[in-house]
Amino acid sequence: QKEVEQDPGPLSVPEGAIVSLNCTYSNSAFQYFMWYRQYSRKGPELLMYTYSSGNKEDGRFTAQVDKSSKYISLFIRDSQPSDSATYLCAMSASNGNKLVFGAGTILRVKS
Amino acid sequence: GAVVSQHPSRVICKSGTSVKIECRSLDFQATTMFWYRQFPKQSLMLMATSNEGSKATYEQGVEKDKFLINHASLTLSTLTVTSAHPEDSSFYICSAQGHVNTEAFFGQGTRLTVV
Repeated sequence: QKEVEQDPGPLSVPEGAIVSLNCTYSNSAFQYFMWYRQYSRKGPELLMYTYSSGNKEDGRFTAQVDKSSKYISLFIRDSQPSDSATYLCAMSASNGNKLVFGAGTILRVKS
Repeated sequence: GAVVSQHPSRVICKSGTSVKIECRSLDFQATTMFWYRQFPKQSLMLMATSNEGSKATYEQGVEKDKFLINHASLTLSTLTVTSAHPEDSSFYICSAQGHVNTEAFFGQGTRLTVV
């Protein structure tokens, strides 16, 4: 079993839809949770960063962490074609160190 | 965010040759740099962690003699793939961290193709 499981998709939605991306994990030591966006042939770009359980909102993006269920989510409201990318969840036991990534979900937003 | 530059962005080399990839932090001093490998449609896998002035720490299963990492200054780390083989073809990405417990910023990646 992988430490971090993420559905690779692809996930295809119409413009304006609400997108839900999810990851599950098995290591209860993880405390720091991140979502990255990666465009084709580029390095990952940090979108959201959350410590422990709870919600965090930044513009159209909302990150949720449920440590009791070992489940994290990223919601994208009013999705745009420019949101089309691969979204990677990542987590670590200590802040900023040794990230463990999910496989990434390919998102396609159709105009 | 801070800028991390990785060079080259794409390289093709012959089997048996060595390839060097550079990772530079342009506007901050990186005490720690991480090197990842990513296969198509797969996750980033951490290969090694390097701290300036000391030997890199390699993840289990990563051959340290094949993937040479040098972190000689606070703004530059290099990954050298020695005696490259076609199975080394992959996307290699570095990230740089200024201080412990702070965000690590990623480079744009290097696509290595070994023919």
